Amino acid sequence: DAGVIQSPRHEVTEMGQEVTLRCKPISGHNSLFWYRQTMMRGLELLIYFNNNVPIDDSGMPEDRFSAKMPNASFSTLKIQPSEPRDSAVYFCASSFGLEGDEQYFGPGTRLTVT
Amino acid sequence: GEDVEQSLFLSVREGDSSVINCTYTDSSSTYLYWYKQEPGAGLQLLTYIFSNMDMKQDQRLTVLLNKKDKHLSLRIADTQTGDSAIYFCAEILSGGYNKLIFGAGTRLAVHP
Repeated sequence: DAGVIQSPRHEVTEMGQEVTLRCKPISGHNSLFWYRQTMMRGLELLIYFNNNVPIDDSGMPEDRFSAKMPNASFSTLKIQPSEPRDSAVYFCASSFGLEGDEQYFGPGTRLTVT
Repeated sequence: GEDVEQSLFLSVREGDSSVINCTYTDSSSTYLYWYKQEPGAGLQLLTYIFSNMDMKQDQRLTVLLNKKDKHLSLRIADTQTGDSAIYFCAEILSGGYNKLIFGAGTRLAVHP
């Protein structure tokens, strides 16, 4: 298996633009997690899905952020409009979803908003 | 509230043992984890311990759990330069769905 796939690996955009980050979880995993990592705030859980349904989005910073999981093999995290403070590394992770199952992380998308 | 705390930085000499400490808050956590992040990469599970255990050993890694004090530690024996990375402690929140709360990470620097 190729592991969790994220695209793009790097994104540079101007403030106000829409940004879409993509994630393909490991086949057979039914839980998917979006995290954000910054120097100031560390690793934050933004939202997670189970069987394509959002379970907890309390970590989503504000309405500019939205996430979807239209099917078991694809998820997006969208920021519209983007702001410089959104600059971070965004990770997607997936797992089998049962308590204690290992979360497998993707390589991350480094987002820079100028 | 939910909080996992770690020291931010540790420097050791190659060949020495490293001990990374962590405190957590959810006494009902069933699993506690150590993840490793190498530069430019995502996190990778290093080891975990189930809450009914006091110690777990896996080759050079030893995990100690003190449930009374909610304290978790990771000991790396014979630390090598390849062990240089950020180490994250994480607790699983009870209630299912595998939601983890991560600490801020401890940056381990190994020098000759």
